Amino acid sequence: DTAVSQTPKYLVTQMGNDKSIKCEQNLGHDTMYWYKQDSKKFLKIMFSYNNKELIINETVPNRFSPKSPDKAHLNLHINSLELGDSAVYFCASYGLTGTANYGYTFGSGTRLTVV
Amino acid sequence: QKEVEQNSGPLSVPEGAIASLNCTYSDRGSQSFFWYRQYSGKSPELIMFIYSNGDKEDGRFIAQLNKASQYVSLLIRDSQPSDSATYLCAVIGLTGGGNKLTFGTGTQLKVEL
Repeated sequence: DTAVSQTPKYLVTQMGNDKSIKCEQNLGHDTMYWYKQDSKKFLKIMFSYNNKELIINETVPNRFSPKSPDKAHLNLHINSLELGDSAVYFCASYGLTGTANYGYTFGSGTRLTVV
Repeated sequence: QKEVEQNSGPLSVPEGAIASLNCTYSDRGSQSFFWYRQYSGKSPELIMFIYSNGDKEDGRFIAQLNKASQYVSLLIRDSQPSDSATYLCAVIGLTGGGNKLTFGTGTQLKVEL
């Protein structure tokens, strides 16, 4: 039973296209995030939603638009894709992760390749 | 100055040895500190979190926090080849809100037979 699930796992698309990545969590957490991991493996926060409200919006091109229909879902839509958007995008949620740990739980990632 | 700094490595240790991974952070008001492990091609997974000065132990893992020195470390006892991965230090600071987790660039650990 996957805690944070992302689809698709792989996405190959041409420059200029529009694409979406979906994320769902069944942990009951209130806060969800999108992170981007670049080719050097650096994880950088993009957005955060708390119970459907946008609370963090880092310096991200406005071609990226998150949407949260409810607290269990956070989707990412990207318009006019560029080569530099190629990366792995991770969805995460924050809360109790086990019996004693608070932290982020990450989805399995979406590897986006723009050609 | 980067918000969270780690030596990128690779750090090589023999099997059975203690691996020591270090991290410094710039936000003196940071509250919570996390260690994640990331295998190649996989997502980060939480190993431990610590928020009080001192040591916290969980199995073979020991997290150490020194807020005065703005330093957090992870010790892995009896290192195994399966511990070979990138270890990410992450911090929740006072600025930004929303439990924003800021990551270091990670240290690659190689445990050799």
